[in-house]
Amino acid sequence: QKEVEQNSGPLSVPEGAIASLNCTYSDRVSQSFFWYRQYSGKSPELIMSIYSNGDKEDGRFTAQLNKASQYVSLLIRDSQPSDSATYLCAVKGRGSTLGRLYFGRGTQLTVWP
Amino acid sequence: DVKVTQSSRYLVKRTGEKVFLECVQDMDHENMFWYRQDPGLGLRLIYFSYDVKMKEKGDIPEGYSVSREKKERFSLILESASTNQTSMYLCATQTTGHYGYTFGSGTRLTVV
Repeated sequence: QKEVEQNSGPLSVPEGAIASLNCTYSDRVSQSFFWYRQYSGKSPELIMSIYSNGDKEDGRFTAQLNKASQYVSLLIRDSQPSDSATYLCAVKGRGSTLGRLYFGRGTQLTVWP
Repeated sequence: DVKVTQSSRYLVKRTGEKVFLECVQDMDHENMFWYRQDPGLGLRLIYFSYDVKMKEKGDIPEGYSVSREKKERFSLILESASTNQTSMYLCATQTTGHYGYTFGSGTRLTVV
């Protein structure tokens, strides 16, 4: 069973702060990692993908991957109230059946003005 | 952009009814998935398909079946709806390779 663990939160940060979301995974051969954002009552939306160790930046979002520690994180700089959502970490293993992703249960983020 | 369309946004059905949830994609994606999402339980995979007429059981297939007669359409069938199948149902598509999913807008099903 492939496990993906996230702190359930809720995580609460003030507007303008950095929000840090963390995720660990159990399958050592995992190769592809994704962050989804899900607003209340809506479906998940892909916001970041990362495949190699290190940092990947896209606007205010930075994904960080450390395969040795089996750890992936998402940093949101200059957090805005519109960033308030649940963030899902997803992992695809090299041996994962037919591209299936394994999801964490999500971290709820609230950004207060 | 890939568009994934789920036929109904909200659905209310009675216990024992046969329920069809439809998912249609407008890109040539090989893989399609059905999940349900419940508070505290996260996303749970029901069934998936990597080709026409092919299907694989996910983690919670009991009480469900699927059909994929055409590449763009993947249907989830609740053979005899029960109240414990009240949930948000999400369809997702994926092309082959190291890619993530694209989700449909979801169907919130209530079984009374």
